[in-house]
Amino acid sequence: RKEVEQDPGPFNVPEGATVAFNCTYSNSASQSFFWYRQDCRKEPKLLMSVYSSGNEDGRFTAQLNRASQYISLLIRDSKLSDSATYLCVVNQAGTALIFGKGTTLSVSS
Amino acid sequence: GAGVSQSPSNKVTEKGKDVELRCDPISGHTALYWYRQSLGQGLEFLIYFQGNSAPDKSGLPSDRFSAERTGGSVSTLTIQRTQQEDSAVYLCASSKPPGQVGGGANVLTFGAGSRLTVL
Repeated sequence: RKEVEQDPGPFNVPEGATVAFNCTYSNSASQSFFWYRQDCRKEPKLLMSVYSSGNEDGRFTAQLNRASQYISLLIRDSKLSDSATYLCVVNQAGTALIFGKGTTLSVSS
Repeated sequence: GAGVSQSPSNKVTEKGKDVELRCDPISGHTALYWYRQSLGQGLEFLIYFQGNSAPDKSGLPSDRFSAERTGGSVSTLTIQRTQQEDSAVYLCASSKPPGQVGGGANVLTFGAGSRLTVL
């Protein structure tokens, strides 16, 4: 079983749509959770951290379900500029951050 | 520096040659990570440094791969006797130490990567 699993997509949505990605992790001792964004042929960049209580940043909402060991990312009112690969990232204290393979989003006009 | 700097940005080498990739992390970032990403694939963890020590080197694919970090700053990743399957983008990232004001202990800032092509 892979440590961090994501649906690779691609998710093809029109502008203005709402889209949700899920990510599951296998290590119940994981403590930190993040979503990163990676544009084509660029390095990953932090999109947002994921907190136990859930958190929102503008059109983006992240949630964590520790009991079921999954993390979600909701994007509302999708923009063309949201087209990218979204990477789920998990780690335990003192260990390396493990990346999922990413979910590709394509927003079209 | 202002960001994570990696060099070379591109390296083309012949099978069997050795290569060295360099990473200069953000000043004050004690944690440093190496990942690699093959075309169309996810990030594969290679090794993680905290200061000059490597608590987790479990991702190094073979004994042809080694990495070191000196002075708690610059790190070099060395690949000996390169093979075609080593072709990938090698990404370095650094993060703040835990407990620092403003948090961010596990938030990674990546360099632009070193694209390695083994012919």
